[in-house]
Amino acid sequence: ETGVTQTPRHLVMGMTNKKSLKCEQHLGHNAMYWYKQSAKKPLELMFVYSLEERVENNSVPSRFSPECPNSSHLFLHLHTLQPEDSALYLCASSQDSGRGYTFGSGTRLTVV
Amino acid sequence: GQNIDQPTEMTATEGAIVQINCTYQTSGFNGLFWYQQHAGEAPTFLSYNVLDGLEEKGRFSSFLSRSKGYSYLLLKELQMKDSASYLCAVRENAGNMLTFGGGTRLMVKP
Repeated sequence: ETGVTQTPRHLVMGMTNKKSLKCEQHLGHNAMYWYKQSAKKPLELMFVYSLEERVENNSVPSRFSPECPNSSHLFLHLHTLQPEDSALYLCASSQDSGRGYTFGSGTRLTVV
Repeated sequence: GQNIDQPTEMTATEGAIVQINCTYQTSGFNGLFWYQQHAGEAPTFLSYNVLDGLEEKGRFSSFLSRSKGYSYLLLKELQMKDSASYLCAVRENAGNMLTFGGGTRLMVKP
């Protein structure tokens, strides 16, 4: 357990489904992130929230929609995904002045 | 933007020493990180360099040369459990957003 908890660990969804990924941290950090990790590709930054405000979205398709209701929780809402969206989705948190991230264990998403 | 390069795969023998290199091109460099990621698990923090030189932490050391845009992670007395992917990441300018390299998959053999 890293202090950052992601649920579910695994998710299989059809292209017409709507689902949400959840991330929770109790480390007192003030920034949270969504990253996508695909096979043989670098971790790709999707969204950044600092002090509950979105500061970066990195040109992610609108079928991914983040939500940060408070500094401890982060969601990624998914709808009408494509098979190429299948990947490991990692959540991370940090303190703005800190020395890097604490990652969750990720959600392995398969779009069929 | 940033460009971060590291070898895709390396193989080493148990008990040996291995060096994993990372080169980067960035403006406004503000720190370099190394993470370890076992298959199916979260990346975990290994080391942080912001000034030139060597940072040592047990069997792991990390080196940085800002003028050369170069870092390496040195693993000594390799153990089978060190088989994992090692991710190099660079922080640019203010804030705490990291850009990651593709990772180096290290296989330790008996």
